[in-house]
Amino acid sequence: DIQMTQSPSSVSASVGDRVTITCRASQGISSRLGWYQQKPGKAPKLLLYAASSLQSGVPSRFSGSGYGTDFTLTISSLQPEDFATYSCQQADTFPPTFGGGTKVEIK
Amino acid sequence: QVQLQESGPGLVKPSQTLSLTCTVSGGSISSNYYYWSWIRQPAGKGLEWIGRIYTSGSTTYNPSLKSRVTISLDTSKNQFSLNLTSVTAADTAVYYCARETVGYNLFFDYWGRGALVTVSS
Repeated sequence: DIQMTQSPSSVSASVGDRVTITCRASQGISSRLGWYQQKPGKAPKLLLYAASSLQSGVPSRFSGSGYGTDFTLTISSLQPEDFATYSCQQADTFPPTFGGGTKVEIK
Repeated sequence: QVQLQESGPGLVKPSQTLSLTCTVSGGSISSNYYYWSWIRQPAGKGLEWIGRIYTSGSTTYNPSLKSRVTISLDTSKNQFSLNLTSVTAADTAVYYCARETVGYNLFFDYWGRGALVTVSS
């Protein structure tokens, strides 16, 4: 299976900050990467797919980049509703696999 | 708006079978446009994809769980189900059902809120 490694595992930030999360795949996955947002008790939400394509309805402050093995999720200006856990997922090879998550906490 | 909701027992004894159902509203589970998946997350760990089913009944499972997993469809109730046999404490997790749109290639665009299943005697 392809291993997905995220860093950092947690980050403390303030409203208005720029936040960047990194995801690394154990082998090349082209641009077949997605990012999800999770909040306790709520359904996970797809933010970006194909590394940089914004899912419908997702604010433009979220952006993604990368290709091959290294990817980033950037939140350009953190909003109160963005405090959550973010996970990456490779969609290149069965079975799809996820990173361990990055928790974005209030500073 | 599509909604998915998981239901089933929150407590299962070791060696028994875990059974969960996902009820889909706002869309037909019989549509040719979607796959329907189960995904789980143990406390403090990452998500793990369990498997998926298509409207034809065709299934694909995670090799790590394949020997114990069955996913099935009930189109009359607009539901799909998960059976996981011979459970142990390692199967304790929040179980999610999710939708994948054909062409999205393994990206999950709608999820349920999850159901916590604890394996304990």
